[in-house]
Amino acid sequence: DAKTTQPPSMDCAEGRAANLPCNHSTISGNEYVYWYRQIHSQGPQYIIHGLKNNETNEMASLIITEDRKSSTLILPHATLRDTAVYYCIVRVDHNQGGKLIFGQGTELSVKP
Amino acid sequence: DSGVTQTPKHLITATGQRVTLRCSPRSGDLSVYWYQQSLDQGLQFLIQYYNGEERAKGNILERFSAQQFPDLHSELNLSSLELGDSALYFCASSPGVDWGEKLFFGSGTQLSVL
Repeated sequence: DAKTTQPPSMDCAEGRAANLPCNHSTISGNEYVYWYRQIHSQGPQYIIHGLKNNETNEMASLIITEDRKSSTLILPHATLRDTAVYYCIVRVDHNQGGKLIFGQGTELSVKP
Repeated sequence: DSGVTQTPKHLITATGQRVTLRCSPRSGDLSVYWYQQSLDQGLQFLIQYYNGEERAKGNILERFSAQQFPDLHSELNLSSLELGDSALYFCASSPGVDWGEKLFFGSGTQLSVL
């Protein structure tokens, strides 16, 4: 699976959009971009995933560049409860046995 | 609530001892995954079971073993414990054999080896 690079930490003001970048310049054509988050010592929680098109769900939006070498997770209106470590993971399609391998993630602090 | 139940929540033991961590997957999920999270190593995949059979192995030590029972609950056995085994141990589950589009994680067992 391709490796990802994320900033170790970011701050965001409450109510503003949080834009979390992820670099995955070695991504292959059959690899998806997944985002999970982990709120202090709780189990990781799935957020969103995509292959090449932008995706949106009730939690977040995922913007993937056209060359697929980077992506951005957007939390449109961050709240204090969004303070967590966010993991960007590149994995082969799950139908092909793509394991979920976590990196170091970005620690997002949402401040009042 | 993810639907994945892990017990106990906390475990304190001494070096050289053996412990068993338990996981009940979401109703209907056949795959169970174990992860270890320590401060220096981050979240590390240990092992996956599907419907009672070992399916994939990660960075699991020989002192550690796991199994999945006919009722689909799983146990992670850690023996000859060392100080460095102190960590949060997470269990996750998914419906099928193929790692699943989403994994659902339990709230973890905090193991402290003194």
